[in-house]
Amino acid sequence: DIVMTQSPDSLAVSLGERATINCKSSQSVLYSSNNKNYLGWYQHKPGQPPKLLIYWASTRESGVPDRFSGSGSGTDFTLTISSLQAEDVAVYYCQQYYTTPYSFGQGTKLEIK
Amino acid sequence: QVQLQESGPGLVKPSETLSLTCGVSGYSISSGYYWGWIRQPPGKGLEWIGHIYHSGNTYYNPSLKSRITISVDTSKNQFSLKLSSVTAADTAVYYCARQRDSGWSDYWGQGTLVTVSS
Repeated sequence: DIVMTQSPDSLAVSLGERATINCKSSQSVLYSSNNKNYLGWYQHKPGQPPKLLIYWASTRESGVPDRFSGSGSGTDFTLTISSLQAEDVAVYYCQQYYTTPYSFGQGTKLEIK
Repeated sequence: QVQLQESGPGLVKPSETLSLTCGVSGYSISSGYYWGWIRQPPGKGLEWIGHIYHSGNTYYNPSLKSRITISVDTSKNQFSLKLSSVTAADTAVYYCARQRDSGWSDYWGQGTLVTVSS
């Protein structure tokens, strides 16, 4: 099974500042035949279901603000929020869908400093 | 728009079977995609349970495989989860979700808390 490890576990950032969350997979999630990274990012707020932000490691889901961006390839990935807004307070998860069982990182709790 | 809604008992006794159904509206399950279940134990992260293709093909997380059954009823546009021999460790919020062919989940139900307790 692929193990996903996020860092940090929690993060406090001032409003308007940049937030960066890292995700590392125990093996590459880059599929060589199509050069796509099978990696997604979700935002999870209390009392709500997770919301898809990013798929293919860097493609924003429709309707997601452009302050959210994803990068990385192979085993190392980053979710960046360029200018933190109050509504971005949430737990963020990465997920690999390269191979079943699809697996999530442990989550990163993002708060306002 | 696509909507999913979980339903089922909120309390299950230890050793019994947890049964949940996910009703889908705004999209016909028989049109395609995978349909999956994910859970979140209290205070913990997300765990992918398994999925079913519209044709009925399934994949289960090996950590739960011996206890899980996921089925689909295209006539009712719903799919279901059964988890047998539950223990307190199965207490969680259970989510159903539509899963794109490549693997990410783009629509989720609101989630339902299932508590395992006598």
